[in-house]
Amino acid sequence: DIQMTQSPSSLSASVGDRVTITCRASQGISNYLAWYQQKPGKVPKLLIYAASTLQSGVPSRFSGSGSGTDFTLTISSLQPEDVATYYCQKYNSAPLTFGQGTKVEIK
Amino acid sequence: EVQLVESGGGLVKPGGSLRLSCAASGFTFSSYSMNWVRQAPGKGLEWVSSISSSSSYIYYADSVKGRFTISRDNAKNSLYLQMNSLRAEDTAVYYCAGGLTGEFYFDYWGQGTLVTVSS
Repeated sequence: DIQMTQSPSSLSASVGDRVTITCRASQGISNYLAWYQQKPGKVPKLLIYAASTLQSGVPSRFSGSGSGTDFTLTISSLQPEDVATYYCQKYNSAPLTFGQGTKVEIK
Repeated sequence: EVQLVESGGGLVKPGGSLRLSCAASGFTFSSYSMNWVRQAPGKGLEWVSSISSSSSYIYYADSVKGRFTISRDNAKNSLYLQMNSLRAEDTAVYYCAGGLTGEFYFDYWGQGTLVTVSS
């Protein structure tokens, strides 16, 4: 099965900073990659699908890139409301594996 | 408005069984695949199972294969997860999740139902 590895596991950044989270697949998955945001105590929310397509209603400071095995989620200017754990997920075929998550905090 | 409402969670002893339900509304349930995703306390998201719109294709995570059964009733707009031989490591919030674009990512989630497996 294809494994999804996120890095870092956690990060702390200042408001306004550019934040980058990476997700690596153990085998190529084309662009079948989604990103989710889960705020503390809340339900996960879809941010990005097809590696780089922003879900409707998601702020434009979020962006995604990559194809094949290496993917990136970028927050161009970190805001206090972005404190959350972020997960990548492959969906080219079952199993629909999630990454282990990246916890983002404000410094 | 799309709504997914889970029910059926609770406390069960190891080796016991539980059936989760997910009531769907606000979209044409019979047209889309549906999924279960779980999250153990303080842990990350884990995909559990998926079922295609007509139940022709069913997939399970290795961790639940042979113990859990996913099913759906399109006439009742409902998704189910029958969980047997439950273990402590099955303790989690179970989310019903829908991919309403035909792809297997999840653009709609329920609020979740907590399953606790403990003696």
